Amino acid sequence: EDKVVQSPLSLVVHEGDTVTLNCSYEVTNFRSLLWYKQEKKAPTFLFMLTSSGIEKKSGRLSSILDKKELFSILNITATQTGDSAVYLCAVEASGGGFKTIFGAGTRLFVKA
Amino acid sequence: SAVISQKPSRDICQRGTSLTIQCQVDSQVTMMFWYRQQPGQSLTLIATANQGSEATYESGFVIDKFPISRPNLTFSTLTVSNMSPEDSSIYLCSARKGLADYEQYFGPGTRLTVT
Repeated sequence: EDKVVQSPLSLVVHEGDTVTLNCSYEVTNFRSLLWYKQEKKAPTFLFMLTSSGIEKKSGRLSSILDKKELFSILNITATQTGDSAVYLCAVEASGGGFKTIFGAGTRLFVKA
Repeated sequence: SAVISQKPSRDICQRGTSLTIQCQVDSQVTMMFWYRQQPGQSLTLIATANQGSEATYESGFVIDKFPISRPNLTFSTLTVSNMSPEDSSIYLCSARKGLADYEQYFGPGTRLTVT
């Protein structure tokens, strides 16, 4: 069965800290891995990763994929209170259809 | 990009009744999906809404309980039938423009409470 596992499930840090969120997966017919930020309702897209070893960066956020180890990390440097959210990792699988499987998410709380 | 709206935004329903949730996208999209997010949990895919044909349901979800319509490339509905308190959840509509467009857009969700 396809699955996406995120760790830790929750994390509390202080402003200015750097955090690393983990995502491992087991899917057949891997297509891509995506990271989303969910603050109140709808998730918002952060990154899409398809190739190993190529870092995607957006401001203080960055992410990288390891397709051999079936693993991705999301780094947030110099955290701010506005980074408090649930971060979702999702994997797209194709073949016999198309679907996106979400992990349980990491709930990040950044203290002022 | 695509902007997705859902109606209603929330509802409180009695067990045994049914609720239909509407999803409207501001532009044509190839794929539309319905997800459920139970309190404190991640998103679970219910089904892929196919235009002009029956939806493709994930394991654990059946058409009789969650009938879905998709009459065109911008609109879909999800009905939650014969509701029980276990159906209390947020239901999210999602869309992608096409296989080449990796970004998946989400609606604001419909918060359903079944009493």
